[in-house]
Amino acid sequence: DSGVTQTPKHLITATGQRVTLRCSPRSGDLSVYWYQQSLDQGLQFLIHYYNGEERAKGNILERFSAQQFPDLHSELNLSSLELGDSALYFCASSVEGTGITGELFFGEGSRLTVL
Amino acid sequence: DAKTTQPNSMESNEEEPVHLPCNHSTISGTDYIHWYRQLPSQGPEYVIHGLTSNVNNRMASLAIAEDRKSSTLILHRATLRDAAVYYCILRDRSRGSNYKLTFGKGTLLTVNP
Repeated sequence: DSGVTQTPKHLITATGQRVTLRCSPRSGDLSVYWYQQSLDQGLQFLIHYYNGEERAKGNILERFSAQQFPDLHSELNLSSLELGDSALYFCASSVEGTGITGELFFGEGSRLTVL
Repeated sequence: DAKTTQPNSMESNEEEPVHLPCNHSTISGTDYIHWYRQLPSQGPEYVIHGLTSNVNNRMASLAIAEDRKSSTLILHRATLRDAAVYYCILRDRSRGSNYKLTFGKGTLLTVNP
């Protein structure tokens, strides 16, 4: 158990719909990262938040957005869903923001299926 | 981000040592070498990281070449539970850099009983 909690574990929805994935980081971790893993693309970095502020964006579509709340949990919002958005979405947390060498702790992922 | 090159797959027998290679010829002085693994149906899991010197922990050892252009992850006695995809990742630690991990394809390790 990494200490990172992701909900829901599984989600099935239809094209055009909107979903929200939630991540609770490990206690004390200020950084949250979101990754998408599909069969053909591997693990793709989406976005990084540190203590409520966006730090970096990766291959995140405009239809996707994220935020980190004052209690440090994070949500990834996916809208106007397409079949190609079906994937595993992982959240990871770490203590660091700057200057500390540390590991990322990953949750078990949320499996999104768009029909 | 500097790139790494790993074999697509490797095979090992249970209780034998496994040496997983990684080439990173364009590594910069501020890049740390990180290894993660992903077991089936799970999120990635940290294994080990290092900068210049060889590193050991309870999971594995990391041997880093003197010129830092390659490294090897060593599992001393492979178990069936070690069957996973192993990712070698360079992580820039310089001030102002982003600390995300950029995953490649990794090496799929199969452990035979």
